Amino acid sequence: SQQGEEDPQALSIQEGENATMNCSYKTSINNLQWYRQNSGRGLVHLILIRSNEREKHSGRLRVTLDTSKKSSSLLITASRAADTASYFCATSTQGGSEKLVFGKGMKLTVNP
Amino acid sequence: SQTIHQWPATLVQPVGSPLSLECTVEGTSNPNLYWYRQAAGRGLQLLFYSVGIGQISSEVPQNLSASRPQDRQFILSSKKLLLSDSGFYLCAWSLTGGRSEQYFGPGTRLTVT
Repeated sequence: SQQGEEDPQALSIQEGENATMNCSYKTSINNLQWYRQNSGRGLVHLILIRSNEREKHSGRLRVTLDTSKKSSSLLITASRAADTASYFCATSTQGGSEKLVFGKGMKLTVNP
Repeated sequence: SQTIHQWPATLVQPVGSPLSLECTVEGTSNPNLYWYRQAAGRGLQLLFYSVGIGQISSEVPQNLSASRPQDRQFILSSKKLLLSDSGFYLCAWSLTGGRSEQYFGPGTRLTVT
């Protein structure tokens, strides 16, 4: 079963605006990761946040994690047309699992 | 630097035919390896993962199988394809010990006709 659920499922914004995507999960995690997928391509890792971290930044990306609510958000600031892609959250669960469980993904469209 | 290769990039196969997709990783040793399938507009479904040569864990019962004959080679196979096997197949690797980011190949688009 899928662990993460992204919200909204699709988002369309104008270039320069900020984009916020949310992810909820069900079980305790070791870390949560965000990936981007351009159409017809493989996924690219964006950022990893560990369960004992609350916020992390990488360039124009800001990720927050609230383990009490079992949720995370990905903020992309000053969006560009090149940010148009599908975004997935993925969780690594506690217990030493070597697996990630991916959400269904969210389609972001940035209009120039 | 590490790179991951998948081939072929696209494949059209008739129902009932066999399948072999190959994935190789360069620049790292003893990686964890993963096969995913992605249906159109959907998320990733983990099919198999491997933490070492000959060690395969199956996540979903189906007519697919996986093998890891060498440390950095991961093969996805089927003896007889079904229409429902169509999809986008992605191979990925990660460092051992888990809990770390995964690096994906470019994918194989399989259409079963």
